[in-house]
Amino acid sequence: GNSVTQMEGPVTLSEEAFLTINCTYTATGYPSLFWYVQYPGEGLQLLLKATKADDKGSNKGFEATYRKETTSFHLEKGSVQVSDSAVYFCALSINAGKSTFGDGTTLTVKP
Amino acid sequence: DTGVSQDPRHKITKRGQNVTFRCDPISEHNRLYWYRQTLGQGPEFLTYFQNEAQLEKSRLLSDRFSAERPKGSFSTLEIQRTEQGDSAMYLCASSLEQHTEAFFGQGTRLTVV
Repeated sequence: GNSVTQMEGPVTLSEEAFLTINCTYTATGYPSLFWYVQYPGEGLQLLLKATKADDKGSNKGFEATYRKETTSFHLEKGSVQVSDSAVYFCALSINAGKSTFGDGTTLTVKP
Repeated sequence: DTGVSQDPRHKITKRGQNVTFRCDPISEHNRLYWYRQTLGQGPEFLTYFQNEAQLEKSRLLSDRFSAERPKGSFSTLEIQRTEQGDSAMYLCASSLEQHTEAFFGQGTRLTVV
């Protein structure tokens, strides 16, 4: 079956620090990969996506590269801000169907 | 269009009661998904529709759960004879058939007491 494993949290960083949240997956098929973000009190929002190997998704300074050889899709940001504090979910989807999510990583950025 | 809308946002019910949630997807989206999320976990797939047809149901969806999308627009999720273990956030999402990107509503938080 399909599964997503995320780096366990919580993660606490100081403002302007470098962020990496690890995500690895197993899939029966060729998935599209996603990072979703959930800010406090809000719903899930798509942060970025990649649909094929070596694609790089990017948005709001966040980046993730689809690595088929290591079945990974790690999320990175060079300089985090307090406003980036949220829960981040890695997910995969095959053939425009249901998504399989990781358990989420809580990020807290301190000023 | 303001996105995926879910109603109610919060529901508290006594064990054994029936509850129904509604989801209004983005208007041009023909796929609609229901997920359940418990504290500290990622969303877990429950079921999905393409237009009015229910195409897949998870093993998580017991006989007490039923979902409908009668006209291929809004959807309802009903839970009969609620149990405390049903307490969770119920999320709805929609997408265009030819894309994999899903847009989520803010969810309905169910508390069974």
